[in-house]
Amino acid sequence: DAGVIQSPRHEVTEMGQEVTLRCKPISGHNSLFWYRQTMMRGLELLIYFNNNVPIDDSGMPEDRFSAKMPNASFSTLKIQPSEPRDSAVYFCASRGGSPPYEQYFGPGTRLTVT
Amino acid sequence: AQKVTQAQTEISVVEKEDVTLDCVYETRDTTYYLFWYKQPPSGELVFLIRRNSFDEQNEISGRYSWNFQKSTSSFNFTITASQVVDSAVYFCALSEAWGGSEKLVFGKGTKLTVNP
Repeated sequence: DAGVIQSPRHEVTEMGQEVTLRCKPISGHNSLFWYRQTMMRGLELLIYFNNNVPIDDSGMPEDRFSAKMPNASFSTLKIQPSEPRDSAVYFCASRGGSPPYEQYFGPGTRLTVT
Repeated sequence: AQKVTQAQTEISVVEKEDVTLDCVYETRDTTYYLFWYKQPPSGELVFLIRRNSFDEQNEISGRYSWNFQKSTSSFNFTITASQVVDSAVYFCALSEAWGGSEKLVFGKGTKLTVNP
């Protein structure tokens, strides 16, 4: 079975540009999570969805960040405009069944904003 | 509020040594779940184990073992006879079950280096 798929794996962009990160959860999983990992702040939950509905976006740093889940097999995290402090590894994770079963993580997208 | 503390930032051992990674958690909930994840140098996060707050039995899986003690709010992870391939950052995480919260709160991680 395929795990969580994220694209791109690496993204380098200039400050001010729009960045879109993509995630395909494990088939059958009904919860999806976006995390950000930095040296300074560690792993932080940005937002999570249950059955495609955003449940908690309190971790989204500011209005420049937005996330969507148009269907059960696809989610995007968009940063517009991007800033150098957004440089981090962004992970998507999915989970199935009743809570709180373990989350399975994708390989991450390493974002560098210059 | 939930909190997970991994006081050991980095640990370095020689191959075949046993090593214990500490995890202390805080929660007001009586029902909660604890997890360990491994992040090898390649960067992915790999799930290792989940325990619920009602099950304090220790668990062993090969060279890995976990010691859950509610009395001290700890969920420690021991690797026996460590190997170079165990080198990674290990994260402890907590999830509360009350109110349907499904958020994982992670500790800062412990970087384990196993030297040949």
